[in-house]
Amino acid sequence: GESVGLHLPTLSVQEGDNSIINCAYSNSASDYFIWYKQESGKGPQFIIDIRSNMDKRQGQRVTVLLNKTVKHLSLQIAATQPGDSAVYFCAENMEDGGATNKLIFGTGTLLAVQP
Amino acid sequence: DVKVTQSSRYLVKRTGEKVFLECVQDMDHENMFWYRQDPGLGLRLIYFSYDVKMKEKGDIPEGYSVSREKKERFSLILESASTNQTSMYLCAWGLRETQYFGPGTRLLVL
Repeated sequence: GESVGLHLPTLSVQEGDNSIINCAYSNSASDYFIWYKQESGKGPQFIIDIRSNMDKRQGQRVTVLLNKTVKHLSLQIAATQPGDSAVYFCAENMEDGGATNKLIFGTGTLLAVQP
Repeated sequence: DVKVTQSSRYLVKRTGEKVFLECVQDMDHENMFWYRQDPGLGLRLIYFSYDVKMKEKGDIPEGYSVSREKKERFSLILESASTNQTSMYLCAWGLRETQYFGPGTRLLVL
């Protein structure tokens, strides 16, 4: 989910379990979504994207689900590993009709993987 | 893979100093962006550019300016640094709707 104030929501999972990270997006007209992973002290890293004409997209160990009815996006990580520990945030594309597409970013969820 | 480099990982400046943050991409991409990232606020767009010598204000341009003299280089300038500009600054390049980020510069203004 999205953060409130200065504290990120935290998801704590055991190594080997599956993780599900959620995101509520704001604009019903958004047609493209991205999940990013950000490790401590580093820049965000692209994980996976999905367009609004799809409900599900799979990558390596990751799956993104899109529910346009309730404006909800989720990221599923299979067999979570210690290296998956990071902040995960979603982004939605806000088409403004210009030459450059802007992204609107969520504030993120901290995934903590327990060994 | 496209590589984005930012001139410094960590930077400490004093109030009133002029600060330059440099971002360089090693491909011929047109779209480049500057964000700041603060706890609880997520990424906020400062400025972006979709071509050489072109620039557009983002959501929080006050106190900042940018320069894009060459396609591969997009510079963020703090004309007179203030303590409320202490933040993580992230540069990104864009390909259609997707944006890819550099490593970030953590700036502390004293």
